[in-house]
Amino acid sequence: QQQVKQSPQSLIVQKGGISIINCAYENTAFDYFPWYQQFPGKGPALLIAIRPDVSEKKEGRFTISFNKSAKQFSLHIMDSQPGDSATYFCAASRKGSNYQLIWGAGTKLIIKP
Amino acid sequence: NAGVMQNPRHLVRRRGQEARLRCSPMKGHSHVYWYRQLPEEGLKFMVYLQKENIIDESGMPKERFSAEFPKEGPSILRIQQVVRGDSAAYFCASSPNAGDGQYFGPGTRLTVT
Repeated sequence: QQQVKQSPQSLIVQKGGISIINCAYENTAFDYFPWYQQFPGKGPALLIAIRPDVSEKKEGRFTISFNKSAKQFSLHIMDSQPGDSATYFCAASRKGSNYQLIWGAGTKLIIKP
Repeated sequence: NAGVMQNPRHLVRRRGQEARLRCSPMKGHSHVYWYRQLPEEGLKFMVYLQKENIIDESGMPKERFSAEFPKEGPSILRIQQVVRGDSAAYFCASSPNAGDGQYFGPGTRLTVT
């Protein structure tokens, strides 16, 4: 019930294309869903986050789509650039667990020039 | 406006020694979370602290591990009598309030030889 399942494990996208990463969760008590970007040897950087009262949130080239009934959420990166090549993690948290983040396993994204 | 700071960035310890990892949260943030990351995996929650209080240590092994966040100074994660399995990257994150976004430091990479 505490798991967050992320797919795909790795993804190769051409420059200018759309990168899509998906996550699914079981625990309906989760109420905060962030996405993080991590470069090798660095800490995760908060990209964008959503709460379940909205179905979509957009910040620049990054969009989260949220489907509460399906218990799924996804990250879309529009106009993907080589600098976007990194590992992306979805996560989820809830008030009842003191907002500790439960993490997906990560997606290694490579943008081909 | 400095981000979350962690030191040391790299730490090598022999089996049986003690490791002390330090984390200074962002200015104005009083909530600190510690996570551990093994290679090619997502992060795992260890402990959540506010100033002078441990709020949730459900992810931290009961033996050899301890954490504190004193009134003055950084948060400290202490690992006594380290073993090879403790080798990992340890990240701390801070947030201004519970339920707000967590911002991560660069991590401490612990190697136990």
